[in-house]
Amino acid sequence: KQEVTQIPAALSVPEGENLVLNCSFTDSAIYNLQWFRQDPGKGLTSLLLIQSSQREQTSGRLNASLDKSSGRSTLYIAASQPGDSATYLCAVMNNNAGNMLTFGGGTRLMVKP
Amino acid sequence: GAGVSQTPSNKVTEKGKYVELRCDPISGHTALYWYRQSLGQGPEFLIYFQGTGAADDSGLPNDRFFAVRPEGSVSTLKIQRTERGDSAVYLCASSYSSGSSYNEQFFGPGTRLTVL
Repeated sequence: KQEVTQIPAALSVPEGENLVLNCSFTDSAIYNLQWFRQDPGKGLTSLLLIQSSQREQTSGRLNASLDKSSGRSTLYIAASQPGDSATYLCAVMNNNAGNMLTFGGGTRLMVKP
Repeated sequence: GAGVSQTPSNKVTEKGKYVELRCDPISGHTALYWYRQSLGQGPEFLIYFQGTGAADDSGLPNDRFFAVRPEGSVSTLKIQRTERGDSAVYLCASSYSSGSSYNEQFFGPGTRLTVL
């Protein structure tokens, strides 16, 4: 059974810092990996999707990398802003378990002005 | 364009009652998913539809939970004899297709269910 872990569970940084969020998964047989953002009381907003054949994806100040063989992904946020404060979730889709996403527990990020 | 919509946004019910939660996916998306998120945790898969049929219902916790998608668009998640442990945010997602590594899922705002 796929298990996804996110470290740290919570993170507080001053505005302007570059930061890295970590995601690890136990079964490397995945179709893709998605990073989501969730604001309090809201749904999930898709940030980046990395296909199993890719190593990284970039969108603005966000860069996500994938090392499938070691079961790891990182989300890099450059020049953090208070508006980046949210919970960040990673999720993997296995290629032998239908189309379900298996989520990590999330990292709660607070960027202080 | 319109995203995934869910109604109601909040539902408060009493233990033992029956509830229905509705999901309206993005137009043209053939795949629809239901997830459940408890406080402080990541979402957990419940059921996935491809068209009108439930392709994978392995995440439904027990037979009190049932979901339908009769016309391949709107879906309803039905919970019978609700229990306090059913309290959670129920999230719906949709995607263009299934069985592809390009299958990006887009989520709705969720329905917060509280069972008293």
